[in-house]
Amino acid sequence: AQSVSQHNHHVILSEAASLELGCNYSYGGTVNLFWYVQYPGQHLQLLLKYFSGDPLVKGIKGFEAEFIKSKFSFNLRKPSVQWSDTAEYFCAGRLGSGNTGKLIFGQGTTLQVKP
Amino acid sequence: SQTIHQWPATLVQPVGSPLSLECTVEGTSNPNLYWYRQAAGRGLQLLFYSVGIGQISSEVPQNLSASRPQDRQFILSSKKLLLSDSGFYLCAWSYAADTQYFGPGTRLTVL
Repeated sequence: AQSVSQHNHHVILSEAASLELGCNYSYGGTVNLFWYVQYPGQHLQLLLKYFSGDPLVKGIKGFEAEFIKSKFSFNLRKPSVQWSDTAEYFCAGRLGSGNTGKLIFGQGTTLQVKP
Repeated sequence: SQTIHQWPATLVQPVGSPLSLECTVEGTSNPNLYWYRQAAGRGLQLLFYSVGIGQISSEVPQNLSASRPQDRQFILSSKKLLLSDSGFYLCAWSYAADTQYFGPGTRLTVL
């Protein structure tokens, strides 16, 4: 079955530490991949997305993600986190073609950054 | 620019009561519309999506239904709420298969 999974459910880091959140998908065809973030009390918003082209994509607030097709992965990275990065992070994938735009979400990762 | 509204923001309802959650989008036409439910520790689950007026696809068989009476209006309903319907309901829109943009959500508690 098609799925998107996030391995880290709760991550605690100190400020300035590096971040990598794992995301894997299960599908052998065309994929579009997304990372969304939900800051406390705010809307779910897009961090970055991959549709095609350069597998290393850069998003807002210094985040980046790398699409590795051979590993079915789309991990999110940031070299140095800040307290303001405390939030819940969701990986999502559109697995397959078509115009419905249906997304499959991972379980989410709660990131807590200690000042 | 496009904006998406959801109301109410919070709702507490007794078991067996009806439900109506509304989502409207401004600044766009003929969007795809989606209803998701977010449960703690379980990510977002797609409930319904619509590619046009009156066109509803259900992803998960359940106690809920959806309708799209106007191009930019999407309604989530139930005739009789269950305890298991509690959760955070998010509406989203997109242009066809492009990026989805989410509303502020409705926190539903069924007692």
